[in-house]
Amino acid sequence: GAGVSQSPSNKVTEKGKDVELRCDPISGHTALYWYRQSLGQGLEFLIYFQGNSAPDKSGLPSDRFSAERTGGSVSTLTIQRTQQEDSAVYLCASSLSSGTDQETQYFGPGTRLLVL
Amino acid sequence: AQSVTQPDIHITVSEGASLELRCNYSYGATPYLFWYVQSPGQGLQLLLKYFSGDTLVQGIKGFEAEFKRSQSSFNLRKPSVHWSDAAEYFCAVKAAGNKLTFGGGTRVLVKP
Repeated sequence: GAGVSQSPSNKVTEKGKDVELRCDPISGHTALYWYRQSLGQGLEFLIYFQGNSAPDKSGLPSDRFSAERTGGSVSTLTIQRTQQEDSAVYLCASSLSSGTDQETQYFGPGTRLLVL
Repeated sequence: AQSVTQPDIHITVSEGASLELRCNYSYGATPYLFWYVQSPGQGLQLLLKYFSGDTLVQGIKGFEAEFKRSQSSFNLRKPSVHWSDAAEYFCAVKAAGNKLTFGGGTRVLVKP
């Protein structure tokens, strides 16, 4: 079946603008994760959804970052008033559930964000 | 908190030679361990995972990894490397909770 998809694949924006990044998880996967991959910080966890709730938002770097998930499926990561340090690849992953620790996360291709 | 260290930032290997990528983790109990591979411009693809049981796990593309509790290691190996194995490899640990903690990655270059 289809894997995790993300859009756009690339996004160039100007400092101070808002951006929205979209993630479509694998069908039937109830858990969804956002990670950020940047040169200086490597791969970092941002937020985790179980269904439409986000029990773990501990990785969101500032209040400029927010995410939501609707219908237990699509998720949107929003970055307000973008800064140059937000430039990174934003990766989304999904897993079947989070009921046990033995859940494998499957990743999408990422959205490469460049803030000028 | 858990952490993962991949000591080698870059490794160059000749095609047909063997490859070993090192991964050390820090966690109080037995963690769940993963190796992912990332080709240029791509997302992360799961190579293999260890949850429990046999400490030698087989993965896709001819890779295997061995969990050694005494050394807190989960090294990835491949007996004979192909040019298509050139990529960046990430070790990750999933401890309590749901998030993955990744190592810094090892970039593999394959010489013809």
